Amino acid sequence: DGGITQSPKYLFRKEGQNVTLSCEQNLNHDAMYWYRQDPGQGLRLIYYSQIVNDFQKGDIAEGYSVSREKKESFPLTVTSAQKNPTAFYLCASSKLAGLNRDEQFFGPGTRLTVL
Amino acid sequence: AQRVTQPEKLLSVFKGAPVELKCNYSYSGSPELFWYVQYSRQRLQLLLRHISRESIKGFTADLNKGETSFHLKKPFAQEEDSAMYYCALKGHTDKLIFGTGTRLQVFP
Repeated sequence: DGGITQSPKYLFRKEGQNVTLSCEQNLNHDAMYWYRQDPGQGLRLIYYSQIVNDFQKGDIAEGYSVSREKKESFPLTVTSAQKNPTAFYLCASSKLAGLNRDEQFFGPGTRLTVL
Repeated sequence: AQRVTQPEKLLSVFKGAPVELKCNYSYSGSPELFWYVQYSRQRLQLLLRHISRESIKGFTADLNKGETSFHLKKPFAQEEDSAMYYCALKGHTDKLIFGTGTRLQVFP
């Protein structure tokens, strides 16, 4: 099953620790996104990247960091500065040109729990 | 401000009943709107977009610029339609702005 993968599926972290969530895609998509999904709040954009070595803050970037060293990979680091990190994190990717360029393809998600 | 509002957190219907999931948006330009769906234990996926004007799994959605709405409709709900539905707006960049979602429960 190709497409977009996230690992791990479940992640537990102690308070004060940084943790990195993996997101990989083999769809040759230019753009990649990180969302946070909380009950009753829908999906909120954390960071997005439209090209390698470049990324922009979304609506709730505080306490998070990303990198885009390769087109296929867009890891998200949840730092100790994030006050409420327990959540379900979704990664997505999309084309920026051509047919159906607006469709975002989502990964299976990572559930992060801070103990 | 760009915003998507889904006023219902939960919508419960019986099988065979009509369904309408409401979505209103706020956007200053010409909007591009989408419905995404998340079935239990499956990934979030695109259901339909207003540009294509197609019917997917019996669902349709019409963009009403006067009422700034993009409601999702199906004349006869099926149990397999039970899922979380998100309305989304493509803003001035390629970012999607999602609503808070509506959970549809279809009872037998």
